Amino acid sequence: KQEVTQIPAALSVPEGENLVLNCSFTDSAIYNLQWFRQDPGKGLTSLLLIQSSQREQTSGRLNASLDKSSGRSTLYIAASQPGDSATYLCAVKWFRSGGGADGLTFGKGTHLIIQP
Amino acid sequence: DADVTQTPRNRITKTGKRIMLECSQTKGHDRMYWYRQDPGLGLRLIYYSFDVKDINKGEISDGYSVSRQAQAKFSLSLESAIPNQTALYFCAVWDIDQETQYFGPGTRLLVL
Repeated sequence: KQEVTQIPAALSVPEGENLVLNCSFTDSAIYNLQWFRQDPGKGLTSLLLIQSSQREQTSGRLNASLDKSSGRSTLYIAASQPGDSATYLCAVKWFRSGGGADGLTFGKGTHLIIQP
Repeated sequence: DADVTQTPRNRITKTGKRIMLECSQTKGHDRMYWYRQDPGLGLRLIYYSFDVKDINKGEISDGYSVSRQAQAKFSLSLESAIPNQTALYFCAVWDIDQETQYFGPGTRLLVL
């Protein structure tokens, strides 16, 4: 079964620290991988999209990497701020073989709190 | 941004009632999706549609049905709501040019 796992489930750090969120996936046949941010009770905001052929993507203080061979992606947040507090979701789009379902497979998320 | 809207944004209903959640998009995307999110969990796929005549079940379709009335509209129905269908429901579209999914704001459903 194609699954996505995120570690840790929750993380609390002081403001200013650099931090890494982890995402692992069970099948290397990914089409792309996406990191989302979700604020409490709100919708999803796309942060970074990494295509299967790419190794990393950067946007401002965020950097996401992808290692298909090890089944891992990381989201690096530099110089964290209280406004970064949210839940971060990792989602994989798989190549559809054998009639598998379309759509994204999500991890359960990492709940991040940045302490002022 | 794919301008995905969902109505209603919040809904309270009783066990056994039939309800419909609606989703609309303005950018002409062919592929549309319905997901649900439970507290502490990621999103799970309920149904998806590649066009008006193509409807497919996702991971957790039992107890749900969908209708793709037009390219721009994709509705999710709960034929007989039950309390464990209480969740946050998201509609999404697939942007073929950006190769990414864009999500609506979500509908919070409470089944009593």
